[in-house]
Amino acid sequence: DTGVSQDPRHKITKRGQNVTFRCDPISEHNRLYWYRQTLGQGPEFLTYFQNEAQLEKSRLLSDRFSAERPKGSFSTLEIQRTEQGDSAMYLCASSLARGGNIQYFGAGTRLSVL
Amino acid sequence: KQEVTQIPAALSVPEGENLVLNCSFTDSAIYNLQWFRQDPGKGLTSLLLIQSSQREQTSGRLNASLDKSSGRSTLYIAASQPGDSATYLCAVLYSSASKIIFGSGTRLSIRP
Repeated sequence: DTGVSQDPRHKITKRGQNVTFRCDPISEHNRLYWYRQTLGQGPEFLTYFQNEAQLEKSRLLSDRFSAERPKGSFSTLEIQRTEQGDSAMYLCASSLARGGNIQYFGAGTRLSVL
Repeated sequence: KQEVTQIPAALSVPEGENLVLNCSFTDSAIYNLQWFRQDPGKGLTSLLLIQSSQREQTSGRLNASLDKSSGRSTLYIAASQPGDSATYLCAVLYSSASKIIFGSGTRLSIRP
């Protein structure tokens, strides 16, 4: 087991472009979380899935953001019409619903919007 | 509102010193509390996790304590080394079904 994997590690894009990030959780984990971290701050919750169901979304997740987990395995986070304020580290975590919900984090995708 | 606060935001100490990082949380009904380490531009590494029923956890030179009644946790680092330089994040889980709430972190620098 290689842990939580995120791709790409870095993404540079121009304002107005769409970007998509991928997260592969630990194989038997049924919960998957997305967080966003801006410079000098702690991560903030965006959304989470249990299996393929998206159970909670933060108000930080504007209508330009969409997340999917179509088969309850990997997840994608898409940002449409990127803005400079979207520049941040996007972190993915996974956990088992049983066993205390200990979340294991990936290395993150760093997005820079020019 | 459930909030997690870490003070100070930055700390610089000479190598070899023992030090304490502080974390406070507004709602004491926590499920567990975790301390993470984050190196610049990297993801999160879990250091210690304390369940709500526990008072402390130890790993090597690290010791984390939890006082739910006062809404506080401390991370004690003994005999600090330059390799300990990183940002340390305190994170609280309020139920087994919820998201983690993070503090803003303490940026630690150990001077050789």
